[in-house]
Amino acid sequence: EAGVAQSPRYKIIEKRQSVAFWCNPISGHATLYWYQQILGQGPKLLIQFQNNGVVDDSQLPKDRFSAERLKGVDSTLKIQPAKLEDSAVYLCASSFGGQGYEQYFGPGTRLTVT
Amino acid sequence: AQKVTQAQTEISVVEKEDVTLDCVYETRDTTYYLFWYKQPPSGELVFLIRRNSFDEQNEISGRYSWNFQKSTSSFNFTITASQVVDSAVYFCALSLYNQGGKLIFGQGTELSVKP
Repeated sequence: EAGVAQSPRYKIIEKRQSVAFWCNPISGHATLYWYQQILGQGPKLLIQFQNNGVVDDSQLPKDRFSAERLKGVDSTLKIQPAKLEDSAVYLCASSFGGQGYEQYFGPGTRLTVT
Repeated sequence: AQKVTQAQTEISVVEKEDVTLDCVYETRDTTYYLFWYKQPPSGELVFLIRRNSFDEQNEISGRYSWNFQKSTSSFNFTITASQVVDSAVYFCALSLYNQGGKLIFGQGTELSVKP
């Protein structure tokens, strides 16, 4: 069974530029999550989708971050404009359901903002 | 507020030693789930175990074992006879039943197993 796919793996941009990340979850997984992991910290949830609807985006900085999950499968996360403090690893995870189901993580996208 | 604390930032052991990683959580909810994940140097988080709040049975899987104690709000992880391949960052996480599944992670414990 294929795991969670993410691209790109690495991205370097200058501040104020925009960037987009892509995630393809495990087939059949209805729930998709985007987490931000700053170096030395645990991941922090940015947004959660159930199929193509948003369940939780309370910690998403909506003035600069946006995400969508069209057709309830793939998802993209965008940052526009990027700030230095956005440098982090962006992790995508998927699970069969919501509460209580284990989440399977992709390899992440390491973003460096200079 | 919900919180997960992993007080040990770094642990270093020699191969074949046993090591315990501590995890303390805070929540007022009665229904919740606890997880452990491993993050090797490659960066991908690997699921290890899930426990729900109504199941305090300890679990053993090979060299890994987990001790869940609601009385002390702890969910500790022990690796017996550690190996170099166990070197990684280990995260404990909490998920509340009424919050849709999001994981609240601790800061992580970096385990280094030396040959």
